[in-house]
Amino acid sequence: SQKIEQNSEALNIQEGKTATLTCNYTNYSPAYLQWYRQDPGRGPVFLLLIRENEKEKRKERLKVTFDTTLKQSLFHITASQPADSATYLCALGTQPSNTGKLIFGQGTTLQVKP
Amino acid sequence: DGGITQSPKYLFRKEGQNVTLSCEQNLNHDAMYWYRQDPGQGLRLIYYSQIVNDFQKGDIAEGYSVSREKKESFPLTVTSAQKKPTAFYLCASSIWLYNEQFFGPGTRLTVL
Repeated sequence: SQKIEQNSEALNIQEGKTATLTCNYTNYSPAYLQWYRQDPGRGPVFLLLIRENEKEKRKERLKVTFDTTLKQSLFHITASQPADSATYLCALGTQPSNTGKLIFGQGTTLQVKP
Repeated sequence: DGGITQSPKYLFRKEGQNVTLSCEQNLNHDAMYWYRQDPGQGLRLIYYSQIVNDFQKGDIAEGYSVSREKKESFPLTVTSAQKKPTAFYLCASSIWLYNEQFFGPGTRLTVL
């Protein structure tokens, strides 16, 4: 069966450290993968998109990797701050890529402690 | 300010009543989407629309209906046929199909 898995347990780290979140998938052939941030009671906010032929994408303190062989994406936040505390969702854009449909993981909650 | 709005933020209804959730965007986006989010779960796609007067079922369309008569508007009706309607409903739009999606603030529906 098709699955997208993100760590269901909250990730607790100290301010200034690098947070690494994992998104694993099975039985999908994603054309691209997106990461979103969601704060409690609010809609998700887009962070980064990485396509199947890209290995890595960066944006300021954020970095995303995409390994289609391992069927995994890693999302890194360097020099983390308490304001980075939120739930982070990965979402796959599946083939055929022209549908625009996204399949979301359940999200991982990150808590950055000062 | 450009954006996507949903109203109301909180909605209470009695069991057996239909209810319509509003979603409006002024981003000039072609594609619009409705998702449902339950505690501890990811977003699940209910319906999506690529252009005006056209829409497709998502993964959990049963008990829901939509219309897309205007580019800016994509209302969702939760019918009495939906067995577990209490949830957080999110509307989103995108400039085209596989770009990033912009989300509204959500409507929390509680059916009593």
